[in-house]
Amino acid sequence: ETGVTQSPTHLIKTRGQQVTLRCSSQSGHNTVSWYQQALGQGPQFIFQYYREEENGRGNFPPRFSGLQFPNYSSELNVNALELDDSALYLCASSKQGVTNQPQHFGDGTRLSIL
Amino acid sequence: GDSVTQMEGPVTLSEEAFLTINCTYTATGYPSLFWYVQYPGEGLQLLLKATKADDKGSNKGFEATYRKETTSFHLEKGSVQVSDSAVYFCALSDSQGAQKLVFGQGTRLTINP
Repeated sequence: ETGVTQSPTHLIKTRGQQVTLRCSSQSGHNTVSWYQQALGQGPQFIFQYYREEENGRGNFPPRFSGLQFPNYSSELNVNALELDDSALYLCASSKQGVTNQPQHFGDGTRLSIL
Repeated sequence: GDSVTQMEGPVTLSEEAFLTINCTYTATGYPSLFWYVQYPGEGLQLLLKATKADDKGSNKGFEATYRKETTSFHLEKGSVQVSDSAVYFCALSDSQGAQKLVFGQGTRLTINP
């Protein structure tokens, strides 16, 4: 069983730039959620994708956007990067429609904004 | 909105000591409750879960019981090992909609030999 994989593992950007992070879901999973984890904090929900559409969103501005592809993989895009966007970005996959199905996490992408 | 409050860390124990990490939650519905563990440089791993009141989740010697009356889900282990050193997150997931996870702030645990 292939787990959740994320790329790249580390990324350095400057303010105002744009970034794309990628996630491949665990085999058999059809739902992908993205979380932002600031240093020393718990992860915060950004949004979730199911059937290639956004299926719930946390308190993040529109410059955070995403995509899901037919193979259930997903991208997180962040425009106009700000210093506060420096964080570990975690992707989690699960199977929608299965009650209380836990989410399985990748190792994350660490994004640093200079 | 829903929220999770965890015991503040860091927590430092000696090997074979008893561990308790407190977790309380606020939720409007009937959430599922989880403990996740994060080792250095890694993502989150599911440690255990409970989906309804009085359920006990257990894994690798860790246990937590879903207490609806006290809105708590405290993590316990009878005898910790150095390899248990990590950050532990309590989380809830509502049963509706996107089933997003709401996390506590995490508790850093260090076990000394």
